[in-house]
Amino acid sequence: DGGITQSPKYLFRKEGQNVTLSCEQNLNHDAMYWYRQDPGQGLRLIYYSQIVNDFQKGDIAEGYSVSREKKESFPLTVTSAQKNPTAFYLCASSVDAQSTEAFFGQGTRLTVV
Amino acid sequence: QKEVEQNSGPLSVPEGAIASLNCTYSDRGSQSFFWYRQYSGKSPELIMFIYSNGDKEDGRFTAQLNKASQYVSLLIRDSQPSDSATYLCAVTVDSGGGADGLTFGKGTHLIIQP
Repeated sequence: DGGITQSPKYLFRKEGQNVTLSCEQNLNHDAMYWYRQDPGQGLRLIYYSQIVNDFQKGDIAEGYSVSREKKESFPLTVTSAQKNPTAFYLCASSVDAQSTEAFFGQGTRLTVV
Repeated sequence: QKEVEQNSGPLSVPEGAIASLNCTYSDRGSQSFFWYRQYSGKSPELIMFIYSNGDKEDGRFTAQLNKASQYVSLLIRDSQPSDSATYLCAVTVDSGGGADGLTFGKGTHLIIQP
């Protein structure tokens, strides 16, 4: 089945630790996105990538980093510089940068303990 | 700054009635408009998109766009309890290099009362 897979579904992090969230898609989509959702809030864009080996900061990139070494993969690292990392993280992809119909993975819920 | 505004609700609608969800946006350069449905604890699911002024119908759903008023709405006919969810409005602006992601509203919580 084609789709977007995020792992893990739940993640717990100690303060001061870096963690990496996985996002893999087998849809052959060029564009991939990372969003963050806080309770009762809409989604906010963290980073996006329109093509392999290229990515751009979104509205709330501070404290996060990404890589796009393969078309299928767009991992997100939440660094210790992110002061309030507890949130629901959503990865999405679209066919290409001109196609704005984005489809989402099932999300990763990150909690700082 | 791109902004998308939605009434957070909750919006309560009797089963079988029409649910009307509204959204306004600030950037006149917005080109594409989307409605996502999100159940509690789940990821958003795309249910409608619209690019041109007017109405677009898909089954029980109708999206309406008025670019002059910077307004987009979603109508759900014959509302069912399974339609109870948060509905997110999202827009994109193509800056010339392709879309740089979606800007979301905070969502409207819809409750369909049996």
